[in-house]
Amino acid sequence: DSGVTQTPKHLITATGQRVTLRCSPRSGDLSVYWYQQSLDQGLQFLIQYYNGEERAKGNILERFSAQQFPDLHSELNLSSLELGDSALYFCASSVAGISGNTIYFGEGSWLTVV
Amino acid sequence: AQKITQTQPGMFVQEKEAVTLDCTYDTSDQSYGLFWYKQPSSGEMIFLIYQGSYDEQNATEGRYSLNFQKARKSANLVISASQLGDSAMYFCAMREGQAAGNKLTFGGGTRVLVKP
Repeated sequence: DSGVTQTPKHLITATGQRVTLRCSPRSGDLSVYWYQQSLDQGLQFLIQYYNGEERAKGNILERFSAQQFPDLHSELNLSSLELGDSALYFCASSVAGISGNTIYFGEGSWLTVV
Repeated sequence: AQKITQTQPGMFVQEKEAVTLDCTYDTSDQSYGLFWYKQPSSGEMIFLIYQGSYDEQNATEGRYSLNFQKARKSANLVISASQLGDSAMYFCAMREGQAAGNKLTFGGGTRVLVKP
């Protein structure tokens, strides 16, 4: 158990709909990262938050948005869903900084858009 | 240019033997970190081992060791005494400095199948 909690684990929804994925980071971790894993794109970094503020942005579509709340949990909102958004979405967390720190992943949220 | 390259898309290994998974990286940062993750068929991403760019000793975690060759920009993972449960996808990843947001960049992965 990595200590990073993601819900829901599985989600099936229709095209055009909106979903919210939730992540609770490890206790004490201030940074939250969101990643998308699809068969054709591999693991893609979407966005990072540190202590409530957006820190880095990757290949995140405009239809997607995220935020980190004061209790440090984070939500990834996916709207106007398309078939191509079907993927495994990971949340990861870490303590800020680089020296000696690692990044732990949650179990992921499987999203299927039909 | 690819920042993380894993040249072995898949490999077989005999149970109880050692296996080396290749990873090369590209960065101009002096301070960076290298990671290996295991992803079994169930999908979760399991942290295995970490090597900092300033670490002089190669990292080891149980049966996992990281062969870090900084001048060659390689960070190969060695799994000793392979077990059937080691069958999975293995990803090499790099975290660069704050300018890159401390995010991880992943390689394409290597699928390992351990044969009994």
